[in-house]
Amino acid sequence: GEQVEQLPSILRVQEGSSASINCSYEDSASNYFPWYKQEPGENPKLIIDIRSNMERKQIQELIVLLDKKAKRFSLHITDTQPGDSAMYFCADQGGSAKLIFGEGTKLTVSS
Amino acid sequence: VTLLEQNPRWRLVPRGQAVNLRCILKNSQYPWMSWYQQDLQKQLQWLFTLRSPGDKEVKSLPGADYLATRVTDTELRLQVANMSQGRTLYCTCSAGQGAGERLFFGHGTKLSVL
Repeated sequence: GEQVEQLPSILRVQEGSSASINCSYEDSASNYFPWYKQEPGENPKLIIDIRSNMERKQIQELIVLLDKKAKRFSLHITDTQPGDSAMYFCADQGGSAKLIFGEGTKLTVSS
Repeated sequence: VTLLEQNPRWRLVPRGQAVNLRCILKNSQYPWMSWYQQDLQKQLQWLFTLRSPGDKEVKSLPGADYLATRVTDTELRLQVANMSQGRTLYCTCSAGQGAGERLFFGHGTKLSVL
């Protein structure tokens, strides 16, 4: 299978709190898991990624976790700011070069 | 630094008319070029990956028919025909086809049906 499930589809948090987005995948050959942020009217931009030889990666306020056994990975944004409001997409890359994207999460951070 | 140049940013397409899109690679370190579509529900979907000049592929999806051509090492084209619903087409590039190669998006061309 090549599906990536992403939840929740809509997420609203208060400024300063954490936001978590969860994804699951089917392809056991998947070995690369990027996350993209897309602001209104803009293209998707790569914000963080993790490879299958890692379980955790952090870049500033962004943390990604990977559980290969459960075929799940997640993005956690700590200390959210209004500028974090956007669509977020998870993706996986299996044996082929193409990325399979989740359906997206619309994150709104209110001040 | 802009890796890809996609023009135009927006096109109004009369129903039944085909449209031709162009993408120019600005950095030869990322020669693997692809097209992705994003539908009105924001779903992103891979369409094609074309590496070598002369590569050509066709695909039919709900709402549009596609013909992609890698014209040169720096130019990728996409013809969109029989489009019934609007969508955004993104050109992307990566350094390779192997596992873990980062994918970068162009600014996209938003197509609307007239």
